[in-house]
Amino acid sequence: DSGVTQTPKHLITATGQRVTLRCSPRSGDLSVYWYQQSLDQGLQFLIQYYNGEERAKGNILERFSAQQFPDLHSELNLSSLELGDSALYFCASSPRGFSYNEQFFGPGTRLTVL
Amino acid sequence: SQQGEEDPQALSIQEGENATMNCSYKTSINNLQWYRQNSGRGLVHLILIRSNEREKHSGRLRVTLDTSKKSSSLLITASRAADTASYFCATDAGGAGSYQLTFGKGTKLSVIP
Repeated sequence: DSGVTQTPKHLITATGQRVTLRCSPRSGDLSVYWYQQSLDQGLQFLIQYYNGEERAKGNILERFSAQQFPDLHSELNLSSLELGDSALYFCASSPRGFSYNEQFFGPGTRLTVL
Repeated sequence: SQQGEEDPQALSIQEGENATMNCSYKTSINNLQWYRQNSGRGLVHLILIRSNEREKHSGRLRVTLDTSKKSSSLLITASRAADTASYFCATDAGGAGSYQLTFGKGTKLSVIP
């Protein structure tokens, strides 16, 4: 158990809908990362937050947005969902958010868009 | 685009044998990390090697880094069935204040009992 929690574990929804994925980092970790893992694209970095502020942005679509709240939990919002958004979404956390920090991954949310 | 690319994509060995996976990357880095993922689960950090290090050990794991060739290798000695998983290398973008990691597509290792 990494100490990172993600809810829900599974999510099934329809095209065009909007969903919110939630992540609670390890106690004491200030940085949260979001990743998307699919068979064809592999593990893609989406976005990183550090202590409430956006720090780095990766291949995140405009239809996706995220935020980190004062209690350090984070939410990833996916809107106007398409079939291709079906994937595993991972959240990870690290103490200070530098690349030399080990990242601790949550169990993931499996999103299925029908 | 992927910074790190693992090779081979899949590897099948007998229990007790050694497994070697390679990672190549394109630009200069500050450090390189290896992670393991059991099927459909979150990634677990294995080891980090800094750009000024050439070799690092952790238990049955040995990682090497050759910055001149922009490549790294992960050796698992005396493999066990429990080592069956996908293994990913992750690299940063280099430079000061580097934050994010870029993961390769992974090597899928199967250890046959």
